Amino acid sequence: DTGVSQDPRHKITKRGQNVTFRCDPISEHNRLYWYRQTLGQGPEFLTYFQNEAQLEKSRLLSDRFSAERPKGSFSTLEIQRTEQGDSAMYLCASSWSGSERGTQYFGPGTRLLVL
Amino acid sequence: GNSVTQMEGPVTLSEEAFLTINCTYTATGYPSLFWYVQYPGEGLQLLLKATKADDKGSNKGFEATYRKETTSFHLEKGSVQVSDSAVYFCARLNAGNMLTFGGGTRLMVKP
Repeated sequence: DTGVSQDPRHKITKRGQNVTFRCDPISEHNRLYWYRQTLGQGPEFLTYFQNEAQLEKSRLLSDRFSAERPKGSFSTLEIQRTEQGDSAMYLCASSWSGSERGTQYFGPGTRLLVL
Repeated sequence: GNSVTQMEGPVTLSEEAFLTINCTYTATGYPSLFWYVQYPGEGLQLLLKATKADDKGSNKGFEATYRKETTSFHLEKGSVQVSDSAVYFCARLNAGNMLTFGGGTRLMVKP
């Protein structure tokens, strides 16, 4: 399987706990994106990396959220001190900057439920 | 700002009916436009795209034409199947390389 993969697929946690999600992009893609999707809504942009550099961050990304892509390959998204409002599907996507006019390919998502 | 507006769902059709899902975008620059489809419990799958005015994207019987004069990218299919039941998202690519999505349109196709 050469698509975008995410782990875990589901996460249930208690309010106040920290959670970390992982995304592995398509291997030749140098750009990686995180989006959040709440029930019945379209995805909303959170942040993106080109190689290991974090180039854009949405105002949705509060100081409890941090994302890394240390070697320019996989990425992690950590949420500290989770709140019930963090319950959502977290989607990762990747693309290649050199072609396809920015077409982004999405992973299956990590569904987070904060109790 | 950059925004995308889709017709609200659900859209309920009988099998083999003609489908149109409307999508309009704010006319900031000349963004690439996309349709993604999401099946229950899954991530988004790219359905089709168009990168400049008058381009037609097509895939699996679905089509959409980039209309600059009406800032629209309506999704059409001549004959829907039960397996097309899903949520469809229209999106535009912004200057900062992030996608802005519409709210999604749920399609339900009855046999």
